[in-house]
Formats: sequence, C-alpha cells, structure tokens
Amino acid sequence: GENVEQHPSTLSVQEGDSAVIKCTYSDSASNYFPWYKQELGKGPQLIIDIRSNVGEKKDQRIAVTLNKTAKHFSLHITETQPEDSAVYFCAGGTGFQKLVFGTGTRLLVSP
Amino acid sequence: SQTIHQWPATLVQPVGSPLSLECTVEGTSNPNLYWYRQAAGRGLQLLFYSVGIGQISSEVPQNLSASRPQDRQFILSSKKLLLSDSGFYLCAWSNRGRETQYFGPGTRLLVL
Repeated sequence: GENVEQHPSTLSVQEGDSAVIKCTYSDSASNYFPWYKQELGKGPQLIIDIRSNVGEKKDQRIAVTLNKTAKHFSLHITETQPEDSAVYFCAGGTGFQKLVFGTGTRLLVSP
Repeated sequence: SQTIHQWPATLVQPVGSPLSLECTVEGTSNPNLYWYRQAAGRGLQLLFYSVGIGQISSEVPQNLSASRPQDRQFILSSKKLLLSDSGFYLCAWSNRGRETQYFGPGTRLLVL
C-alpha cells in the first residue's frame, strides 16, 4: 500500500520568509495529493491540492509542486505570516476512498 | 453549502465503558464518509470508510466499529473502551466520485 513520508517535522521561520515542506510517496499509482492545515484543537482544513496530471499549482501565497518521476511533492508558502503557524499535513492516494497522510509538520512563524 | 458536525466535542470516559460518537453532514447527498483517529502529535489514521448506507469498510483491526444508519450520518462505537482508544477522532466526507475530503471539527476522547 501507499506510504507517505513528510519532512521536516518542525519548521521555524521569521515572518516574511518562505517555508517549504516536502513529502515523498511510494505508490506510483497515486494520483491525488492534498495539503491540509490544522490549527490547535481543530479539524484539518484543505488549503491546496494537486492531481498527477499537473506539475504545479498556485493559490496566492501557497504553491504545490509535484514530481511524479521522483515521487515527491512540496508545499511552498511565501511571505509567511504569524497566522500561518499551524501543523501541515500532506496526503496521497488513488481512487476515491483512501488517502494516506504524512506525519505532519509544525510550522512556527515568528514576528 | 456543505457542513459537517461532530459531537460531542470532548469526552472523558472510564476504561471498559461504551462509546458512541456521531457525525452528520448537511448540504450533500450520497457522500463518502470516513472516520480517522489522530494520536497526540501524530498523523491521521483511517479507521473506517463508507460509500453508502450500511456499507462499512474497516481499515485497521481494533476495538471500534462504525455504522451508517442514514445517508448523512456516521457513527463510531465501542462496547468497551481501552486506554489506547484515547485520541482525537475526526469525521470527513467527500462527494461521490471525488477525491477531496473535508473534515469535521473532531471529538477529543480521553479514556481513564
């Protein structure tokens, strides 16, 4: 089955800097890769997703890149703000039933 | 618009007691429904998913069970809770035929 690894587990940046979180997956059949943001005590919120027929997708300060050959995908946050501080999860999967999640990255943006 | 509800928000239960967590979705029909567990500081582990009323698939052998008595209602149960059942339980839904999953606010369960 699919296995998703996520790095780093913790990331500290200064406000205004960029942050990059990386994930790798094992199943070459996986074709859908969402990213979620989870604030303390709340459920994860989808922030961006990408499908395997696209190499890059951007939404304002957030972008995701996908390298199918290397089986890795990354989340890029530019001009970070304190409200970006949260735990970010990547996930990968195929079909419409199952997603396998990474172990999460705690992002801390210091003013 | 679609909304997903979970209750209770927090629950403290003694070991050996039963459990019933409820999840309901509004604003959509025939959704896929999912139960996940999140241990402290860990990722999300898929426990069950359902593609229709009465249809439950279990991902991990455990002390829990799930039921879907109505199209937009998903219930997580246990007859006897274990200490290891403590965690943050998340319900999610997706539109039939679509991959994107949307999560509820979660239920924090503490078994003492």
